[in-house]
Amino acid sequence: EVHLLASGGRLVQPGESLRLSCAVSGFSFSDYAMSWVRQAPGKGLEWVSSLSGSGGTTYYADSVKGRFTISRDNSKNTLFLQVDRLRDDDTALYFCAKGSSSWPNRDNGLDVWGQGTTVTVSS
Amino acid sequence: DIQLTQSPSYVYASVGDRVTITCRASQTVSNFLHWYLQKPGKAPELLIYTASNLQSGVPSRFSGSGSGTDFTLTISSVQPEDFATYYCQQSYSAVMFTFGQGTKVQIK
Repeated sequence: EVHLLASGGRLVQPGESLRLSCAVSGFSFSDYAMSWVRQAPGKGLEWVSSLSGSGGTTYYADSVKGRFTISRDNSKNTLFLQVDRLRDDDTALYFCAKGSSSWPNRDNGLDVWGQGTTVTVSS
Repeated sequence: DIQLTQSPSYVYASVGDRVTITCRASQTVSNFLHWYLQKPGKAPELLIYTASNLQSGVPSRFSGSGSGTDFTLTISSVQPEDFATYYCQQSYSAVMFTFGQGTKVQIK
């Protein structure tokens, strides 16, 4: 069974950093692109970042470009999101999601999602 | 950037009703348009991929259509478990993979 488990979220102050993790099991991790999607309280889904299966190509939303860094360790079946210079509007539930091919573009959607980890930015 | 606009933002329906939700892209996304369902407190689930393909395990009352810039998600006969929020998402772009703002299907 495919399973994604996100962790690392907590309460932080503006300007601080966090590293979110997503441990996966049940599929050949390196064969698939992975993504982070967030949802602010009471709001809709916002795509944040994606990464090719090899880890060689990254994609970022304008709202996080330059502050967030996506990466993966294919030997440990783990996806990461380094979030720096956090702002109040980064407060959200962060989901990790599995892509349906090795590239996130022109694929068949995000077919498996983790339960999310909550990041709260507040002074 | 490709923007996705869903309409309506809210749908009020009774069990058994036919429900249609539209998603319009600001430029062509070919058929790389996907639909998700999200129930309160849960992670989203993929319903339809590449405009019209039913994800494995999704009931056949769900269907999708469209190409280019205009897309439709239809629930032929709404069931109690379908009252949730629905999102479209595009993966046509070379750099960003945006979501629509969501459509909440509520009990009338």
